[in-house]
Amino acid sequence: QAVLTQPSSLSASPGASASLTCTLRSGINVGPHTIYWYQQKSGSPPQYLLRYTSDSDEEQGSGVPSRFSGSKDVSANAGILVISGLQSEDEADYYCMIWHNSAWVFGGGTKLTVL
Amino acid sequence: DVQLEESGGGWVQPGWSRRLSCRGSGFTIDDYAMSWVRQAPGKGLEWVAFIRTRNLGGSTQYAASVRDRFTISRDDSRRSIFLQMNSLKTDDTGLYYCTRGGEYPAGMDVWGQGTTVTVSS
Repeated sequence: QAVLTQPSSLSASPGASASLTCTLRSGINVGPHTIYWYQQKSGSPPQYLLRYTSDSDEEQGSGVPSRFSGSKDVSANAGILVISGLQSEDEADYYCMIWHNSAWVFGGGTKLTVL
Repeated sequence: DVQLEESGGGWVQPGWSRRLSCRGSGFTIDDYAMSWVRQAPGKGLEWVAFIRTRNLGGSTQYAASVRDRFTISRDDSRRSIFLQMNSLKTDDTGLYYCTRGGEYPAGMDVWGQGTTVTVSS
């Protein structure tokens, strides 16, 4: 089982909100982990969006709109990226990442379609 | 403007070696850990390695898939980091990104455009 699991795809309408989940493998507790989020548009390198540990410990990437925010669902053992007020330019692949066992681990990515 | 520019990619046969370079500009590279992340064609992201600052000893860490084959190094006087890749395998094919950061809790906040390595016979 992968360390981080993301849905392969998600669709949402312009103006709506989208919640992208990043589920940690059973036995790895999301509570103490910092979840990092990256956006990758077609043909471009990834861009750092934010990192989220808790409401008192989070960081927005430079120039990243406040429409992008992080949270956790402890009951689901997952990190969540929330994108509000969806725009067509938000269509991209989104990757989560954690530091685990002295290595950086990425999720498989979610392809977000805005239609 | 903070920028990273990779070079050195190309086509190699399995078992060969290749050295990638990355030059930073717009920031003081001495102050940052630096990393390499790769992406196989049509696939997701995979962290490869990172190197700490000289002040922290310049120590390194590697993904299990490349340990003992790849070596990351840095030359702050040239504002550069390097990735020496030996005993290359077809699975090493991909776009290799140089990134700023990578020592926990600092994630990788700046990425280059990447350089492509193709390992094929």
